[in-house]
Amino acid sequence: DVKVTQSSRYLVKRTGEKVFLECVQDMDHENMFWYRQDPGLGLRLIYFSYDVKMKEKGDIPEGYSVSREKKERFSLILESASTNQTSMYLCASTLYHGGAYEQYFGPGTRLTVT
Amino acid sequence: TQLLEQSPQFLSIQEGENLTVYCNSSSVFSSLQWYRQEPGEGPVLLVTVVTGGEVKKLKRLTFQFGDARKDSSLHITAAQPGDTGLYLCAGAGSARQLTFGSGTQLTVLP
Repeated sequence: DVKVTQSSRYLVKRTGEKVFLECVQDMDHENMFWYRQDPGLGLRLIYFSYDVKMKEKGDIPEGYSVSREKKERFSLILESASTNQTSMYLCASTLYHGGAYEQYFGPGTRLTVT
Repeated sequence: TQLLEQSPQFLSIQEGENLTVYCNSSSVFSSLQWYRQEPGEGPVLLVTVVTGGEVKKLKRLTFQFGDARKDSSLHITAAQPGDTGLYLCAGAGSARQLTFGSGTQLTVLP
């Protein structure tokens, strides 16, 4: 089974703090993604990576950066946390199977910025 | 930008009833996936459909991909409380990214 783990399930940070969210997958997947999920807005893509050292902006990259130094690990960084970044953050990696890229998600990190 | 519209947004039914959730777009997708998400957890993949007109069954769940590959439906027969959750459809275009619908929150009452 594909396993995607995220470093924290719940996190509370103060405005202005630098926040690191880490994601690790154990299936040697090349593609990894970071989303945020907010009620009524669905999943919105923040950043993604198709390979080590490679990153691409998604739909809402402002206020975020990412790091992918190793294939299995994809980190999301909030440079200076703000209250509007309070959200559920989901990491995913993809497997190409049966003619499609299937995404496998971690359990999510519920981040609250106060 | 590809958009996926899901309907209904909320659905509350009694145990034993049937229901259908719809996922529609004006764009063509190379494949479409359905996920279920429970509170406090990440979405879990239920099924992938890749061929226009394809129908897949997963126990009491039936998934259909439209002939033109622009829409999909999820039908649940004899819903049970364990089916409660957020159902998300997601379409794949030419890239490896997915476009997600906004979800259907299903509640099955015992």
